[in-house]
Amino acid sequence: LAKTTQPISMDSYEGQEVNITCSHNNIATNDYITWYQQFPSQGPRFIIQGYKTKVTNEVASLFIPADRKSSTLSLPRVSLSDTAVYYCLVGLGAGSYQLTFGKGTKLSVIP
Amino acid sequence: GEEVAQTPKHLVRGEGQKAKLYCAPIKGHSYVFWYQQVLKNEFKFLISFQNENVFDETGMPKERFSAKCLPNSPCSLEIQATKLEDSAVYFCASSPAGSTDTQYFGPGTRLTVL
Repeated sequence: LAKTTQPISMDSYEGQEVNITCSHNNIATNDYITWYQQFPSQGPRFIIQGYKTKVTNEVASLFIPADRKSSTLSLPRVSLSDTAVYYCLVGLGAGSYQLTFGKGTKLSVIP
Repeated sequence: GEEVAQTPKHLVRGEGQKAKLYCAPIKGHSYVFWYQQVLKNEFKFLISFQNENVFDETGMPKERFSAKCLPNSPCSLEIQATKLEDSAVYFCASSPAGSTDTQYFGPGTRLTVL
């Protein structure tokens, strides 16, 4: 399974756009890139998944360069409720049968 | 149901006691996964089921951990003779089918072993 590296923590003010970058240098050809969000005392929640280029949904955008060795999760105009840990996962699809979580990025949104 | 349900929310056991955790996957989902989260962010995969069959148990400490998913019953994860290091939050997740499906997580069961 491809190893991922993300910043341990990030701070942002309310209303700003937040970009969290994840490195996955040994991503395999069949691997997808998936991001999960975890609020305190809750289970992780799927945010977005992509294979290449750009994916956008109602919550976030995911940018994947051509070499796919990194990806960037973009959260537009964050609010206090976006304070959470964000995990980047690489594997065969969102399910991958088993998910391998790294340490994640703790995002703190400041008023 | 539309959400993964886990019971109990909290469980406290003395070392050596048994602990049993339950998970009701989302109706219609074929796969169930158990994960252990220790030290805040560190997740460890334990076991997965495809319907009532064990799909992957490579993460299970087999000496003391066992799990079942029987038809028409919640899935269960049982720890015999708990140890201090078993203290963690145990998450159950379910997915409709296949490797490309999103996993939906329950709220977790916090196990504290004293």
